[in-house]
Amino acid sequence: GAVVSQHPSWVICKSGTSVKIECRSLDFQATTMFWYRQFPKQSLMLMATSNEGSKATYEQGVEKDKFLINHASLTLSTLTVTSAHPEDSSFYICSARDLPGGRYNEQFFGPGTRLTVL
Amino acid sequence: GQNIDQPTEMTATEGAIVQINCTYQTSGFNGLFWYQQHAGEAPTFLSYNVLDGLEEKGRFSSFLSRSKGYSYLLLKELQMKDSASYLCAVRDDMRFGAGTRLTVKP
Repeated sequence: GAVVSQHPSWVICKSGTSVKIECRSLDFQATTMFWYRQFPKQSLMLMATSNEGSKATYEQGVEKDKFLINHASLTLSTLTVTSAHPEDSSFYICSARDLPGGRYNEQFFGPGTRLTVL
Repeated sequence: GQNIDQPTEMTATEGAIVQINCTYQTSGFNGLFWYQQHAGEAPTFLSYNVLDGLEEKGRFSSFLSRSKGYSYLLLKELQMKDSASYLCAVRDDMRFGAGTRLTVKP
């Protein structure tokens, strides 16, 4: 099946620093990628929908200036958590789907990035 | 937008059959996904239904009724490793509900 990778898989940073998380589709092209956040024992919360070549669509309550999303190519989307604080500590997961008419109907998830802000 | 509704928790016995329901309300519909998620891991794809009816894939089957806004995931011959959260999402916007935490007991 298709593979979606994320980097890094885990990161520890100091409060006030920025962290960039990469999401790559490895064997298909994705015009749309999704970014989620998940706190312990809770479900996935959609943060934003990332569209290649255009601005991301953020969910209500998600600060676009704090969570910067860039989807510059059909295989790469990045999420930057700016001026991270301890409350931003969470599991961040991306998801991607193939182009319309592509090989895959499924929506694939990356392995996730565990962010800990000290 | 959309709403997804699933039971929060279910318990079943090893070897049994369990049905996890999902109801949805959506302004658009281009299919529904089911995922399995073990604690601390990313979700893994189980099924994708776009037409009404039952799709069978080994021990797991998924059913869809578009007119009723309803789907279910059927797990047969339950194994201990099936203890996990099960999540459904409509393809159009990929928002998840709370998910169903399934516990399989010996």
